[in-house]
Amino acid sequence: RKEVEQDPGPFNVPEGATVAFNCTYSNSASQSFFWYRQDCRKEPKLLMSVYSSGNEDGRFTAQLNRASQYISLLIRDSKLSDSATYLCVVNTNAGKSTFGDGTTLTVKP
Amino acid sequence: NAGVMQNPRHLVRRRGQEARLRCSPMKGHSHVYWYRQLPEEGLKFMVYLQKENIIDESGMPKERFSAEFPKEGPSILRIQQVVRGDSAAYFCASSPGTGISNQPQHFGDGTRLSIL
Repeated sequence: RKEVEQDPGPFNVPEGATVAFNCTYSNSASQSFFWYRQDCRKEPKLLMSVYSSGNEDGRFTAQLNRASQYISLLIRDSKLSDSATYLCVVNTNAGKSTFGDGTTLTVKP
Repeated sequence: NAGVMQNPRHLVRRRGQEARLRCSPMKGHSHVYWYRQLPEEGLKFMVYLQKENIIDESGMPKERFSAEFPKEGPSILRIQQVVRGDSAAYFCASSPGTGISNQPQHFGDGTRLSIL
């Protein structure tokens, strides 16, 4: 079993749709969590951190469920520019980051 | 530009040659990470370094690959006797040294290595 698992997709949605991605992790000692996006095999860029209480940044909402060991990302009112691969990242207290393989989103007009 | 700097952006080598990839972390960051991304695959951790120390190299192939982060200068990922399967994008990331588990990593633009 992989340490961090994501549904690879692809998710194909129309503009304006709401889409949600889930990510599960196996290491119960994981300390912090992030979502990154990667465009066309460019460098990954930090989208947002994920806090225990859940957090929102504009159209993006991230949630963490420590008991079930999963995190989620919700995108509302999808834009064409949201098309990318979304990477779930889990940090341990030893400083190591483990990346999921990513979920591919395509937003269509 | 205070971001993570990688060079070269593109590197072409013939089989059997050596490839050296450089990474300068963001200003104030003392932790460096190297990742490899093969075509059509996800990002794979290779090695995590602090100045003059390798902290975790569990993702590094046992042969031909080495990494260093000297006291002065950039981190270097070195691949000896390259083979076609080494063709990939190699990304470097950095993070601050304090509160490391809570700090996200910031990535450089990557080096695209092509082996002829």
